[in-house]
Amino acid sequence: AQSVTQLGSHVSVSEGALVLLRCNYSSSVPPYLFWYVQYPNQGLQLLLKYTSAATLVKGINGFEAEFKKSETSFHLTKPSAHMSDAAEYFCAVSDDTGGFKTIFGAGTRLFVKA
Amino acid sequence: DGGITQSPKYLFRKEGQNVTLSCEQNLNHDAMYWYRQDPGQGLRLIYYSQIVNDFQKGDIAEGYSVSREKKESFPLTVTSAQKNPTAFYLCASTPNWRGLDTQYFGPGTRLTVL
Repeated sequence: AQSVTQLGSHVSVSEGALVLLRCNYSSSVPPYLFWYVQYPNQGLQLLLKYTSAATLVKGINGFEAEFKKSETSFHLTKPSAHMSDAAEYFCAVSDDTGGFKTIFGAGTRLFVKA
Repeated sequence: DGGITQSPKYLFRKEGQNVTLSCEQNLNHDAMYWYRQDPGQGLRLIYYSQIVNDFQKGDIAEGYSVSREKKESFPLTVTSAQKNPTAFYLCASTPNWRGLDTQYFGPGTRLTVL
């Protein structure tokens, strides 16, 4: 069965500092992995997606994530945080087992201090 | 512009009332989904529809009902049987029913029970 664990419900960084949001997954077959961002009182939008091509995936707004099969991880990073990055971030996993479901993590809220 | 619209943005329900949340998409997507979001719990799947005139229960379907009479529309009814309906509700769609696609989300409806 699929599952996703996001380590840390809240992460706080200073503006200009490295952003690192952690995600570990469980899947019985090669997964598709997603990071979504949600701004307050809005829907989710896709940041980036891993689909078994390159293990380092670049997304919007300067974010990237690296798929590490040996660690079953898909951590999200950004070299330099901006105030506008403050939001909630969700990691999600989906796999091609004939079903349709995408499983979402519990989310990590990112705070950016001036 | 293509996208998903949800209405209303805010909804207040009295005890014992049924309320219906609207979800419309003009992306020509086959599959549509309803999620419930509570703080710290991520997104939980309520119902999904792979195609018109077909829908399936998700993980937390009790107290909810849906219909899918048109490809563009997937309304969710929160019935009086749902004991704790206060939450943020998100509608999403994907081009087809396979779980590997990016999900496109609406802006959400915040439901509060008075």
